[in-house]
Amino acid sequence: DSGVTQTPKHLITATGQRVTLRCSPRSGDLSVYWYQQSLDQGLQFLIQYYNGEERAKGNILERFSAQQFPDLHSELNLSSLELGDSALYFCASSVGVLAGGRDTQYFGPGTRLTVL
Amino acid sequence: KNEVEQSPQNLTAQEGEFITINCSYSVGISALHWLQQHPGGGIVSLFMLSSGKKKHGRLIATINIQEKHSSLHITASHPRDSAVYICAVFNFGNEKLTFGTGTRLTIIP
Repeated sequence: DSGVTQTPKHLITATGQRVTLRCSPRSGDLSVYWYQQSLDQGLQFLIQYYNGEERAKGNILERFSAQQFPDLHSELNLSSLELGDSALYFCASSVGVLAGGRDTQYFGPGTRLTVL
Repeated sequence: KNEVEQSPQNLTAQEGEFITINCSYSVGISALHWLQQHPGGGIVSLFMLSSGKKKHGRLIATINIQEKHSSLHITASHPRDSAVYICAVFNFGNEKLTFGTGTRLTIIP
């Protein structure tokens, strides 16, 4: 158990809908990362937050948005869903102290999103 | 060409064999991570390397910054090592992790 929790575990929805994925980091971790893993693209970095502020942005679509709240939990909002958004969405957390990607990241169990 | 290339894509070996998985990258990096993804989907971070070599139990990871290459070795492999092993590099310029496509390892008893 990494200490990172993600809800829900599974989500089935229809095209055009909007969903919210939730992540609670390990106790004491200030950084939260979101990743998408699809069958054809592999793992891709979406976005990182550090202590409530956006720190780095990856291949995140404009239909997607995220935020980190004062209690450090994070939410990833996916809107106008398309079939191609079906994927595993992972959240990870790290202490956030070391620069240059040297922090060890602890991954949550993932949310499997199916868009029908 | 992908920024991160792993080889082999698939590897099947007998229990007890010495395993090597390779990762080559084409960008300047400040750190390289090895991850393990279990058949159930969970991801565990195995190593973070910025230079040299690290060892944890039966796992050894090395990196050669000049050659832009890293290897993950497993000694005395066991069926429970069966998983997908993923290499990821941190590009200091754009502050993001880029992932390889993974190596699927199967250890046969």
